[in-house]
Amino acid sequence: DAKTTQPNSMESNEEEPVHLPCNHSTISGTDYIHWYRQLPSQGPEYVIHGLTSNVNNRMASLAIAEDRKSSTLILHRATLRDAAVYYCILPFSGNTPLVFGKGTRLSVIA
Amino acid sequence: GAGVSQSPSNKVTEKGKDVELRCDPISGHTALYWYRQSLGQGLEFLIYFQGNSAPDKSGLPSDRFSAERTGGSVSTLTIQRTQQEDSAVYLCASSFPASGNREGKNIQYFGAGTRLSVL
Repeated sequence: DAKTTQPNSMESNEEEPVHLPCNHSTISGTDYIHWYRQLPSQGPEYVIHGLTSNVNNRMASLAIAEDRKSSTLILHRATLRDAAVYYCILPFSGNTPLVFGKGTRLSVIA
Repeated sequence: GAGVSQSPSNKVTEKGKDVELRCDPISGHTALYWYRQSLGQGLEFLIYFQGNSAPDKSGLPSDRFSAERTGGSVSTLTIQRTQQEDSAVYLCASSFPASGNREGKNIQYFGAGTRLSVL
């Protein structure tokens, strides 16, 4: 997997928007950008993915830079339940193991 | 629908004993993965099954670790002669067939894991 760089931790107030950045300067033209999150005492869960265009789903939005060397996961209104470690991953195509980095630990303050 | 199920959720064993951890993937998922997460560490790949192909065992840390997948569904991870450094959360994930992943989605669905404690 291409290498990604994320801040170790971030903090947000409840009901505020959160922008989680990820740098992936060595991304290739066919690499998808995936985000997973891991809530306390749970396995990781898929959040969102994209290739070139910005993407929205019920959990979050993904904003992808025009040169694709960075992306931002956007939680529009953080809740206490969103406190988790967020991982930005560029998996190989097909069914291959994911390579998880350290991720960003998001704390949400009530 | 049912997600990935792992059992037991917690396992405490004595050093030197063998343990078996079970994973029931989502029905129809032909790819199955085992990872482990040590305290405060990231997820580490262990072994990967894809359909009827030979498994990719490149992540197994020693020959005390083995896994099998019966009937293309349930998988068992076995750790022989457990050591204290084997203490970790063992996570299983499954995904759709590669043929359905032409966009390279490779979305994996994880179980809640088995927390193994070796005393």
